[in-house]
Amino acid sequence: AAGVIQSPRHLIKEKRETATLKCYPIPRHDTVYWYQQGPGQDPQFLISFYEKMQSDKGSIPDRFSAQQFSDYHSELNMSSLELGDSALYFCASSLGRGQGMNTEAFFGQGTRLTVV
Amino acid sequence: AQKITQTQPGMFVQEKEAVTLDCTYDTSDQSYGLFWYKQPSSGEMIFLIYQGSYDEQNATEGRYSLNFQKARKSANLVISASQLGDSAMYFCAMRETGANNLFFGTGTRLTVIP
Repeated sequence: AAGVIQSPRHLIKEKRETATLKCYPIPRHDTVYWYQQGPGQDPQFLISFYEKMQSDKGSIPDRFSAQQFSDYHSELNMSSLELGDSALYFCASSLGRGQGMNTEAFFGQGTRLTVV
Repeated sequence: AQKITQTQPGMFVQEKEAVTLDCTYDTSDQSYGLFWYKQPSSGEMIFLIYQGSYDEQNATEGRYSLNFQKARKSANLVISASQLGDSAMYFCAMRETGANNLFFGTGTRLTVIP
């Protein structure tokens, strides 16, 4: 079965550079979530989209932006990268806006971003 | 206040034994969902099991079961017949009504001993 696809899997950037992470949700899933997981930490919610509109916002820095496109894939754009942005970035997708509580969220394999 | 609390930073279990990973949650919502995820050292986040707040029966998925005690606001994960491949980080998470995100606990690192 198709899963959530994230690209790239690994990314190395220098401070102050920009990065774009891509997420392709499971087919027919209309909701995408982005999470940031620092070393040894639990995943922190950044932002989510439902039907191409932002639906919830978490601890996403102003330097980051994200959007969901007409084909439901999503991109997380990160500018002026800092050393502290080094983390594992997860995308997850689900069907429905979570009004049905049994809407499982499936995660991609993550993008490991290293800022040097 | 922390929405999800996992009080066991690390747990050890003998192969083939059962283990319980604790999770308590805090919400004033009547409708919510509880999830457990497994994160092996490779980093991916693997969905294990789901429990809805209105589900009367405890969820089970193969060797995984969720001991849901609503009055105590606990949703412990029970892994039966532990295998070496179960060694990983385990996260408990919750989604509240109308929220489009999951709140995660700090995780429990499970080590299965041969």
